[in-house]
Amino acid sequence: EAGVAQSPRYKIIEKRQSVAFWCNPISGHATLYWYQQILGQGPKLLIQFQNNGVVDDSQLPKDRFSAERLKGVDSTLKIQPAKLEDSAVYLCASSLGTSGLGGDTQYFGPGTRLTVL
Amino acid sequence: AQSVAQPEDQVNVAEGNPLTVKCTYSVSGNPYLFWYVQYPNRGLQFLLKYITGDNLVKGSYGFEAEFNKSQTSFHLKKPSALVSDSALYFCAVRDIKGGSYIPTFGRGTSLIVHP
Repeated sequence: EAGVAQSPRYKIIEKRQSVAFWCNPISGHATLYWYQQILGQGPKLLIQFQNNGVVDDSQLPKDRFSAERLKGVDSTLKIQPAKLEDSAVYLCASSLGTSGLGGDTQYFGPGTRLTVL
Repeated sequence: AQSVAQPEDQVNVAEGNPLTVKCTYSVSGNPYLFWYVQYPNRGLQFLLKYITGDNLVKGSYGFEAEFNKSQTSFHLKKPSALVSDSALYFCAVRDIKGGSYIPTFGRGTSLIVHP
């Protein structure tokens, strides 16, 4: 089966510009996650969707970051305007999302490496 | 609030020797624990998980992990390391928050296996 797809793989922008990342989860996976991974750190959850609803976005900097999953399938993460500290790898993951299961396994895409100059 | 600690930034081991990568956790409910591996310029790959039952969990590539409730630990182990095991290893926990299970990752441990 196809894995989680992300695009673009690399992006270089200047500060104050905007950028968008796209993710297509594994077919049939109800839960979708966006993570920020800064060099030398573990992934930090930005937002978790269950179908097209937001489950948790407590760590999403809402003044500049936004995410949507309008049809409950693919998703877009946007940054506007970007800051230098946004330089990181943005990972998308998906899981089956069976309600109530803490043991739901996440499957990750290859990530998008963002460099803000 | 849930948390995960990986106390070692780096673990060095000789090929053929056993390896251990440490992880401790803190959750409010039942622990759901995971190990992932990340190779350079790649996304994270699932290795194994503990949900309930046997404290020794077996996973991919010969890895296993031991759940210890009293020590709140979930250490990753392998009896005989390979050079190809060199990578970043992340421990993760899922805990209940607002009716849903939210994941938290540790900062990662770099495993270096020397020939």
